[in-house]
Amino acid sequence: QKEVEQNSGPLSVPEGAIASLNCTYSDRVSQSFFWYRQYSGKSPELIMSIYSNGDKEDGRFTAQLNKASQYVSLLIRDSQPSDSATYLCAVNMAAGANSKLTFGKGITLSVRP
Amino acid sequence: DTGVSQDPRHKITKRGQNVTFRCDPISEHNRLYWYRQTLGQGPEFLTYFQNEAQLEKSRLLSDRFSAERPKGSFSTLEIQRTEQGDSAMYLCASSVSGGLTYEQYFGPGTRLTVT
Repeated sequence: QKEVEQNSGPLSVPEGAIASLNCTYSDRVSQSFFWYRQYSGKSPELIMSIYSNGDKEDGRFTAQLNKASQYVSLLIRDSQPSDSATYLCAVNMAAGANSKLTFGKGITLSVRP
Repeated sequence: DTGVSQDPRHKITKRGQNVTFRCDPISEHNRLYWYRQTLGQGPEFLTYFQNEAQLEKSRLLSDRFSAERPKGSFSTLEIQRTEQGDSAMYLCASSVSGGLTYEQYFGPGTRLTVT
């Protein structure tokens, strides 16, 4: 069964720190990778997508992808209390790169003021 | 540019009743996906459409579930003879096909409670 694993939480960091969220996936043919943020009671909100090995930066967020190690991560710099949410890693496990997403269970981040 | 919309936002029903949910995707998106999310879990894929064609359906999906997208625009998800285990958030997402990116954008969801 194709799986996406996220390290167990919750994760708590002080305001201004770097939060590091990790994710591994089982299917080597996976081509597209996403991070979603989900506030309690709300739907997932796309915050980052990454398709190639290396780093991709967008504001305070950096996604890192290593296909050889089947590993994708999200770094949040200068963490703010408003970043407190559940972060979902999602992988498109299809050679065509554009179909259903397989999600991890998510990790809950708490940023302490 | 309006986002994905879903209706209703909340539905409470009694076991054994049928329910139908609607999803309107982002207007230029030709792919539409249905997911289900229970507490403490990530969304789980149910089915997806490209235009009006249903391209994939989860093997976990009971035959009590059916989805349509008759004109390639909005979609409906029907659950017949609801069970308490159907209680969940039902999420719709949309994306474009054939482009260089494959990002799926979610609607607000429909929260179903089966009593």
